[in-house]
Amino acid sequence: DGGITQSPKYLFRKEGQNVTLSCEQNLNHDAMYWYRQDPGQGLRLIYYSQIVNDFQKGDIAEGYSVSREKKESFPLTVTSAQKNPTAFYLCASSIEGFYGYTFGSGTRLTVV
Amino acid sequence: QKEVEQDPGPLSVPEGAIVSLNCTYSNSAFQYFMWYRQYSRKGPELLMYTYSSGNKEDGRFTAQVDKSSKYISLFIRDSQPSDSATYLCAMSVPPSNTGKLIFGQGTTLQVKP
Repeated sequence: DGGITQSPKYLFRKEGQNVTLSCEQNLNHDAMYWYRQDPGQGLRLIYYSQIVNDFQKGDIAEGYSVSREKKESFPLTVTSAQKNPTAFYLCASSIEGFYGYTFGSGTRLTVV
Repeated sequence: QKEVEQDPGPLSVPEGAIVSLNCTYSNSAFQYFMWYRQYSRKGPELLMYTYSSGNKEDGRFTAQVDKSSKYISLFIRDSQPSDSATYLCAMSVPPSNTGKLIFGQGTTLQVKP
């Protein structure tokens, strides 16, 4: 079955550590997105990529980095520069010209 | 003022009720409008996708767009306990070729048996 796989489901990070969240899709979608979800704030865009080897900052990119070396993969690194990383992170993908994202099941990151 | 406003609720209704969920927006350049349903600890799933003003129906769900008032609605008929979830409205951010969406904060709905 086609879909988006995010891993891990739960992730714990110590202060000062970088962590990487995985996002893989087998839908052959060109565009991929990372959103952050906090209680009462909806979804906020971190980074997005429309083609391989190219990506753009979203509204809250500070403290995050991404890469897009393969069409299927769009990993997100939460760096130690992100001051408040505890949140639910959602990866999504879409075909060109269609805004109906397919979302993964999310990764819940907690700083301990 | 946020570009998209959505009442977070929670909204509690009895089984079988008609539910009305709403979002208002400020940017007249928004073109595509979506409703997503999100169960607890899961990713959102697309429910409805609309472009023009008017109504679009899919089973028990009806999406309504009024571009002149900058107002969108989702109606759920004969609500079921399985409809209990958070409902997010979303709108396409111009320019249209970026694929970017802006989301409302979500309305939490509980349907009681």
